[in-house]
Amino acid sequence: GAVVSQHPSRVICKSGTSVKIECRSLDFQATTMFWYRQFPKKSLMLMATSNEGSKATYEQGVEKDKFLINHASLTLSTLTVTSAHPEDSSFYICSARDVWDNEQFFGPGTRLTVL
Amino acid sequence: AQTVTQSQPEMSVQEAETVTLSCTYDTSESDYYLFWYKQPPSRQMILVIRQEAYKQQNATENRFSVNFQKAAKSFSLKISDSQLGDAAMYFCAYRDRTGTASKLTFGTGTRLQVTL
Repeated sequence: GAVVSQHPSRVICKSGTSVKIECRSLDFQATTMFWYRQFPKKSLMLMATSNEGSKATYEQGVEKDKFLINHASLTLSTLTVTSAHPEDSSFYICSARDVWDNEQFFGPGTRLTVL
Repeated sequence: AQTVTQSQPEMSVQEAETVTLSCTYDTSESDYYLFWYKQPPSRQMILVIRQEAYKQQNATENRFSVNFQKAAKSFSLKISDSQLGDAAMYFCAYRDRTGTASKLTFGTGTRLQVTL
């Protein structure tokens, strides 16, 4: 299957700082990318859907000014957690869907810890 | 809105035995996809099997097969000859077939333990 990478895999930051997480589709073009958040022993919660070159669509309850999503190219989407607080600590997973809309591939996730 | 329900938070199976994980869903659509994803301790989501709703034949992938009952909106996963490496969280998911930005709706997951 196709590969989706995420960077960094783990990040620790101080409260009030911003953190950027990158999601790349390595061997295919992704017209649509998805960002999820997963709490321990819980399911994946969709945060937003992004299409290349357009603004992201956020799910209800997700603060778009806090979780900035940019999908600047067909292979890269970024999630920036602005002014992070301890409650933002979580596991963030990105996913990319190919242009043929056949499969959705998941990145390995990023563990964010805000002190 | 579509919903996916997994009523078994945890299941256990002995190595080499067979286990079935349950999933039900609710939708008003007639054309959609159903998936089972595996999330091992590494937390990498892995697609196990996919079923297209218009296909009557149940999907199979080696030791993994599904029992898709469209009228009952049921989509169970059967794992045969269970192996230690099958231990993981399993998520059932639904997605509309139409619309390029249609999103996956996940169930709450079933944690599968495999014992010797």
